[in-house]
Amino acid sequence: KNEVEQSPQNLTAQEGEFITINCSYSVGISALHWLQQHPGGGIVSLFMLSSGKKKHGRLIATINIQEKHSSLHITASHPRDSAVYICAVLYNFNKFYFGSGTKLNVKP
Amino acid sequence: DGGITQSPKYLFRKEGQNVTLSCEQNLNHDAMYWYRQDPGQGLRLIYYSQIVNDFQKGDIAEGYSVSREKKESFPLTVTSAQKNPTAFYLCASSPGPVRGTDTQYFGPGTRLTVL
Repeated sequence: KNEVEQSPQNLTAQEGEFITINCSYSVGISALHWLQQHPGGGIVSLFMLSSGKKKHGRLIATINIQEKHSSLHITASHPRDSAVYICAVLYNFNKFYFGSGTKLNVKP
Repeated sequence: DGGITQSPKYLFRKEGQNVTLSCEQNLNHDAMYWYRQDPGQGLRLIYYSQIVNDFQKGDIAEGYSVSREKKESFPLTVTSAQKNPTAFYLCASSPGPVRGTDTQYFGPGTRLTVL
């Protein structure tokens, strides 16, 4: 049983397209994180959400606590956005559950 | 620059040997974590430490051991008892788990291959 499900698993887009990655979870959470994993393996934290919406540059993250769902949007996608995007939820303030990731490939 | 370092980046080991992966942070963070990543799966927690000289097992601790003698360092030993050790290992730290919504900062990872 996966506490965190992401969709799609793989996504190919043309440069400039609007991209949406979805995350659904089954546990009550304290917070939700979106992470970006580069091809070399390093992971960077993009957002931490507990409600509403956050925006950073071309990235927007939203969360609906009642529906247990979050989305990560990328506007005007660029090849440098190509990476694996991981959704992670914080449960009971001390335990993380991680999704298996969405591999994004943006073609020029 | 503040950050987390892991060494080595690539590690090869013969079956039956123990191997230790290094993780160092200069962020003055209290909490440190070890994760394992396998293809097609989410990160899984091996061990975590909330404070010096204290650590707890995560979801997949069997075949692994850790120590936390210094705040900056949290080495992970993969023992010969670990049945399937080939994986990508990530170390992370956070200011502390007490607030519960801390961002975790990740190291660059170590890819371990057992020959």
